[in-house]
Order: sequence, then structure tokens, then C-alpha cells
Amino acid sequence: KAGVTQTPRYLIKTRGQQVTLSCSPISGHRSVSWYQQTPGQGLQFLFEYFSETQRNKGNFPGRFSGRQFSNSRSEMNVSTLELGDSALYLCASKESAGGGETQYFGPGTRLLVL
Amino acid sequence: SQQGEEDPQALSIQEGENATMNCSYKTSINNLQWYRQNSGRGLVHLILIRSNEREKHSGRLRVTLDTSKKSSSLLITASRAADTASYFCATDAGAGGTSYGKLTFGQGTILTVHP
Repeated sequence: KAGVTQTPRYLIKTRGQQVTLSCSPISGHRSVSWYQQTPGQGLQFLFEYFSETQRNKGNFPGRFSGRQFSNSRSEMNVSTLELGDSALYLCASKESAGGGETQYFGPGTRLLVL
Repeated sequence: SQQGEEDPQALSIQEGENATMNCSYKTSINNLQWYRQNSGRGLVHLILIRSNEREKHSGRLRVTLDTSKKSSSLLITASRAADTASYFCATDAGAGGTSYGKLTFGQGTILTVHP
């Protein structure tokens, strides 16, 4: 099976703009989670979608939002970008809601906000 | 905030030596997973150990889990230069065996293996 894919891989935006990142999970996986990785804060959980429903959300402002489509593909959106939003954004997928499953990560989207 | 703390923060060894990394966490967990990351790229899954397991092996990797101490260790035997990377532990702390997708990561251990 193909792995988790993310587009675009690199993105440069300016403060105040908005951005949409896309994630295609492994075929058959219904859970998609998003993470932000920065040198200062490390890897932090943004939110998780399962069968088009957001089931869990991390401690991020409302400028960060997401959605999941019926084919399990997911998008996350960041509005009114700030310099501190510069980060590597990773998505991960797993097959179901079971507690013993591996999350598989995509290559990430590196966002630079100028 | 990070649930896990990893120790050491950095480890430098010679090829052929063993590398041991430790991870501690704070809450009850469904499972604990170890990942590798090369130079800010995506995370590569190494191994998953469930809360009712104590030890697991995969190739040159050996993971232990002590739920009473809320700690885990990753041992890489006979290390190679290609093992140079950052290593992260991540805990899934869902309730009742159900995962809500959230992994909580440690700060990671930077491993450098010198040829």
C-alpha cells in the first residue's frame, strides 16, 4: 500500500495569510491526526478526525481547523498566519479507533511564515 | 506540554556499539510507540508495545515497558552510521482500550553513530 502523503511539501506564506494543507491517509485507514513540530515546543497534537468527525483536539487557537472527507482524506487550515506558525506539519493515519494500532506518518509539510 | 521525557537528550557512539534510550511518561497508556526522524523529515515508525506487554523485539531493536514505573527503553544493538537520527517515544493514552488519535511525544534523543 502507498504510505501517507502530504501536499504541498514546502510552503512560504506571509503574516495574515491563510493556508490549507492536505493529507491522504493509507488506503483503508479512517483515522487521521495532525501534529505541529517546532524546535521550541517539539511535536504537539493538533486534532484527530475519524470517519469525518473531529474526536479530539489539542491546545491550539481557533485559527487552526481541519476537516475530513468521506474518502478519509483530510485538510487542515490555518487562518491569519503568525510568524510562530512556521513549523513542520505532520499528519498520521491509522486503521481504526483501537488502542493497539500504529500511527503512520507522512513526510510533512514545512511551512515558513514571513 | 510533553508527557514524556527522554534520556539522554543526545548520545554519541561508535559503529558496532549498542545505544540505549529511555523514556518516562505520566499517565496510564494504551500503548507506547518509538519513532525515528532523520533531519526534520517525517517520522518513521519503529515499534509499538502495548500496555500489557513487557518486552518486544524487532530486528536490532529491543523495547521494554515498565508500566509500574511509567518508563520504557529502546535498545539498538550493533549500531550503524545509518542509525544516526532523532528518536522519539510517543504514548497513546486513550481510555478503555480506545484511541482518540492523540500521541504525546517526548523531546527526543539525538543519536549520532560515528563510522
